[in-house]
Amino acid sequence: KAGVTQTPRYLIKTRGQQVTLSCSPISGHRSVSWYQQTPGQGLQFLFEYFSETQRNKGNFPGRFSGRQFSNSRSEMNVSTLELGDSALYLCASSLRLAGGSQETQYFGPGTRLLVL
Amino acid sequence: AQSVTQLDSQVPVFEEAPVELRCNYSSSVSVYLFWYVQYPNQGLQLLLKYLSGSTLVKGINGFEAEFNKSQTSFHLRKPSVHISDTAEYFCAVTITGGGNKLTFGTGTQLKVEL
Repeated sequence: KAGVTQTPRYLIKTRGQQVTLSCSPISGHRSVSWYQQTPGQGLQFLFEYFSETQRNKGNFPGRFSGRQFSNSRSEMNVSTLELGDSALYLCASSLRLAGGSQETQYFGPGTRLLVL
Repeated sequence: AQSVTQLDSQVPVFEEAPVELRCNYSSSVSVYLFWYVQYPNQGLQLLLKYLSGSTLVKGINGFEAEFNKSQTSFHLRKPSVHISDTAEYFCAVTITGGGNKLTFGTGTQLKVEL
């Protein structure tokens, strides 16, 4: 079974631009979460989607947004890019939302974004 | 809110020696605990997780961890490391009923030397 795929793997943008990153979860997985990884702040949760609805959100400004499609693929968008948005953006998928039993999350290789 | 502390940013160790990576957490409610490994230029891979039951959890690649509720710790151990274990290790926590949102520690870089 194919793992979580993220496209593109590398991206260079300039300040003020916007960017869209894509994540395809493992087949059959319906929950997708996004994380930002930077040397200074570490790994931080951005948001989680399930059944095309945002179910959980981290402490990021409104410039960061996402969506999920009916096939569970997800995109995240960052508008008006700032230098501090340079990071590795990781996507993780799981079968379903955690309920009575915690779901294992499987991570993709990430998209490395550099903002100049 | 929950938090995770990994006290050691780097741990050097010789090949075939034992290693322990420390993790302490803070939460006012019940938690689930995880250890992930990240190799250079790759995403995160789950090593093991504690949900409930036995406090000693065995994972992949010979790693194990012990949940200690009184000390709020979840230290990761391996009795004999290999060069290929060189990577960054992250401890993470999520609260029960909190969905899939993981709160990560700052990571520990394990460097295995010959």
